[in-house]
Amino acid sequence: KQEVTQIPAALSVPEGENLVLNCSFTDSAIYNLQWFRQDPGKGLTSLLLIQSSQREQTSGRLNASLDKSSGRSTLYIAASQPGDSATYLCAVLNQAGTALIFGKGTTLSVSS
Amino acid sequence: NAGVMQNPRHLVRRRGQEARLRCSPMKGHSHVYWYRQLPEEGLKFMVYLQKENIIDESGMPKERFSAEFPKEGPSILRIQQVVRGDSAAYFCASSLYTSTDTQYFGPGTRLTVL
Repeated sequence: KQEVTQIPAALSVPEGENLVLNCSFTDSAIYNLQWFRQDPGKGLTSLLLIQSSQREQTSGRLNASLDKSSGRSTLYIAASQPGDSATYLCAVLNQAGTALIFGKGTTLSVSS
Repeated sequence: NAGVMQNPRHLVRRRGQEARLRCSPMKGHSHVYWYRQLPEEGLKFMVYLQKENIIDESGMPKERFSAEFPKEGPSILRIQQVVRGDSAAYFCASSLYTSTDTQYFGPGTRLTVL
């Protein structure tokens, strides 16, 4: 059974700091991996999708890497801003390719 | 292009009543997914539908819950005889061509059972 773990559960940093969020999964047989952002009381915003054949994806200040063999992904946020404060969720698409399996998220707080 | 729409955004029901949650996917998307987020827990997959077909319902409770995605109109998640444990945020997502495409999420419906 696929399980997704995110560490740390919470993170507080000052504005301008570069930071890394970690995601691990137990079964390397995945289709892809997505990183999402969730603001309090809101829905999810897709940030990056990495196909299983890819190693990384970049969008602006965000860079996500994928090491399928070791079951790990990282989300790198450069020059963090207060507007980056949110919960970041990692999800892998299951072996059947039908459902996303989510971690519990990392709640990020960036202070000005 | 409007995003995924869900209504109502908030729904209050008393124990034993029925709850109907609606989801309109993004324009052109024919794949719909329902997820549930219980308090203090992560998002859990419930069901994956294409037009008029249920593809994967492995995450759906066997009793009281049903879902449909008719040829015309929104997808409906129906919960019969609600109990307090059904209180959660229910999110709908859609994707364009296949289930391996990016899933785009709606704002969610927050169900409270009194």
